[in-house]
Amino acid sequence: NAGVMQNPRHLVRRRGQEARLRCSPMKGHSHVYWYRQLPEEGLKFMVYLQKENIIDESGMPKERFSAEFPKEGPSILRIQQVVRGDSAAYFCASSLTGEKLFFGSGTQLSVL
Amino acid sequence: AQSVTQLDSHVSVSEGTPVLLRCNYSSSYSPSLFWYVQHPNKGLQLLLKYTSAATLVKGINGFEAEFKKSETSFHLTKPSAHMSDAAEYFCVVSPNTGNQFYFGTGTSLTVIP
Repeated sequence: NAGVMQNPRHLVRRRGQEARLRCSPMKGHSHVYWYRQLPEEGLKFMVYLQKENIIDESGMPKERFSAEFPKEGPSILRIQQVVRGDSAAYFCASSLTGEKLFFGSGTQLSVL
Repeated sequence: AQSVTQLDSHVSVSEGTPVLLRCNYSSSYSPSLFWYVQHPNKGLQLLLKYTSAATLVKGINGFEAEFKKSETSFHLTKPSAHMSDAAEYFCVVSPNTGNQFYFGTGTSLTVIP
């Protein structure tokens, strides 16, 4: 049973481009969470999704950021028109019942 | 409201000496509490979890944590630090409603040879 898979591991974008981060949860897990980690800071909650539904997006910036978890396929965190301040590690976690989280290895986004 | 406070941003111990990483929480509900560890350039790994059973919880790699309701604390301890314990540690509270998880800001543990 593979763990939570995130890709790409590293993503480099120029300012103004779009970034797409993918997360495949553990098999059977229907809860997906996205977190952002800035250097020297803890994890900041962004969004919590279940299949085809956004449950809590209170941590998502109001503009440029969106997330989805379709019925088929991975969860996608999309950042439009990236800026340097978006550079961070983005972690995805999944859960079977919402009891505990299993994390992926993260995507390091660098904006030039 | 839920929140987690990790009282020390950095802790440094000598190899073979005890480790204490402090965590205080606030929660409107009977919470579940977790400790996660993050090694450099890696994802987070669950160390241990408290869910209202025994107040002393044993985790992986010799770590344990004690839930003290009166002090609203969930400190992480290990009797003897090993070099491989050097990492970032996160205390997490989940209020058991709404499947939400709240992270502390992390404690960076350095182990000195």
